[in-house]
Amino acid sequence: DTGVSQDPRHKITKRGQNVTFRCDPISEHNRLYWYRQTLGQGPEFLTYFQNEAQLEKSRLLSDRFSAERPKGSFSTLEIQRTEQGDSAMYLCASSLALWAAQETQYFGPGTRLLVL
Amino acid sequence: AQTVTQSQPEMSVQEAETVTLSCTYDTSESDYYLFWYKQPPSRQMILVIRQEAYKQQNATENRFSVNFQKAAKSFSLKISDSQLGDAAMYFCASTHLYNAGNMLTFGGGTRLMVKP
Repeated sequence: DTGVSQDPRHKITKRGQNVTFRCDPISEHNRLYWYRQTLGQGPEFLTYFQNEAQLEKSRLLSDRFSAERPKGSFSTLEIQRTEQGDSAMYLCASSLALWAAQETQYFGPGTRLLVL
Repeated sequence: AQTVTQSQPEMSVQEAETVTLSCTYDTSESDYYLFWYKQPPSRQMILVIRQEAYKQQNATENRFSVNFQKAAKSFSLKISDSQLGDAAMYFCASTHLYNAGNMLTFGGGTRLMVKP
């Protein structure tokens, strides 16, 4: 399977703990996006990378959220000092952006986070 | 800023019948794209159909077609010959060039149920 993969698929943590999620994009995709989806809502954009450069991070929900994409391959999303309001599905998507009209974002299965 | 609104939280359709899902959007941009994504239960989101705003012709993909009314900022999805496998959450989304890559702005979703 060469689709977008995310690990772990489920994470239960206690309030105040740090969590890190991993996303492996489709090989050779140069763009990688992170979204958050709360129950019953549509996904909400968080941040994106073009290769290894994080070109937009103003939508990250607070300074407790950070993301990296070393070497332009996989990406990690870290949430420090988790709060119950962080409980959600975290989605990763990747795309090959040669020019905008042809870009399609392919989504991973998501990581479902529950903060107790 | 872009906003996307889906006014139908749930819809149901009889197998083999046709159903239309509604979506309205708001944007001040002239170059933008519209999408319908499908999210089956516990499965990842996949692209159903896309529409470039500069194209007057409505997009079609097999049993899926859109009714794009640019002046009314309306973008509905028609599913013909509905199948049990069409049961899912459907999200309308928009993006425009040069805004955080091609970050997607999603509506709240419509749950489609297909009755056998």
